[in-house]
Amino acid sequence: GESVGLHLPTLSVQEGDNSIINCAYSNSASDYFIWYKQESGKGPQFIIDIRSNMDKRQGQRVTVLLNKTVKHLSLQIAATQPGDSAVYFCAETSTGANNLFFGTGTRLTVIP
Amino acid sequence: EAQVTQNPRYLITVTGKKLTVTCSQNMNHEYMSWYRQDPGLGLRQIYYSMNVEVTDKGDVPEGYKVSRKEKRNFPLILESPSPNQTSLYFCASSPGTGNQPQHFGDGTRLSIL
Repeated sequence: GESVGLHLPTLSVQEGDNSIINCAYSNSASDYFIWYKQESGKGPQFIIDIRSNMDKRQGQRVTVLLNKTVKHLSLQIAATQPGDSAVYFCAETSTGANNLFFGTGTRLTVIP
Repeated sequence: EAQVTQNPRYLITVTGKKLTVTCSQNMNHEYMSWYRQDPGLGLRQIYYSMNVEVTDKGDVPEGYKVSRKEKRNFPLILESPSPNQTSLYFCASSPGTGNQPQHFGDGTRLSIL
């Protein structure tokens, strides 16, 4: 999962396997969460989001799970492909806030 | 194509020489923001703007200025750059407020010697 510090958490998976990337958020008032993907040399790209009135949301090959009790968010990627190799960030915010607050990211490497 | 465009993409300069990084978005977004990204620290917000002529400090505003004279442009100004401002910078925008998915530019890598 993500943590503040000098080292970026890493996850290596075989192509075709499922990936799970974790994120612990800090603010119990946060009610909206976003996952971003950042490829080398590019800016973060929106993947999927979830509001706090849901605990699961599915997109194409991606699923986000939210556990508000333990303030934990996860991103599941099904049948991981080489093009999924990137750094993944979670971001949290709340109604009325003016900002997104980002985690430090997890680097996903897909082994062909 | 909807996009956030930053210039320059790369810059190496020296301490004290004023520089400006431009940011322009073509989506008519109200909210714009600048972040810096450093290893292990993730994205930290420098300044943001809710609309034209409205700007506010983020988490790490020291040493930076911004302006928002037009909706589409949000330049980041380093009046007297120092080596600790060597970083990767991202501009982002979103349609309304800042608590929505933000669209990011591809980044500007600044090296201050």
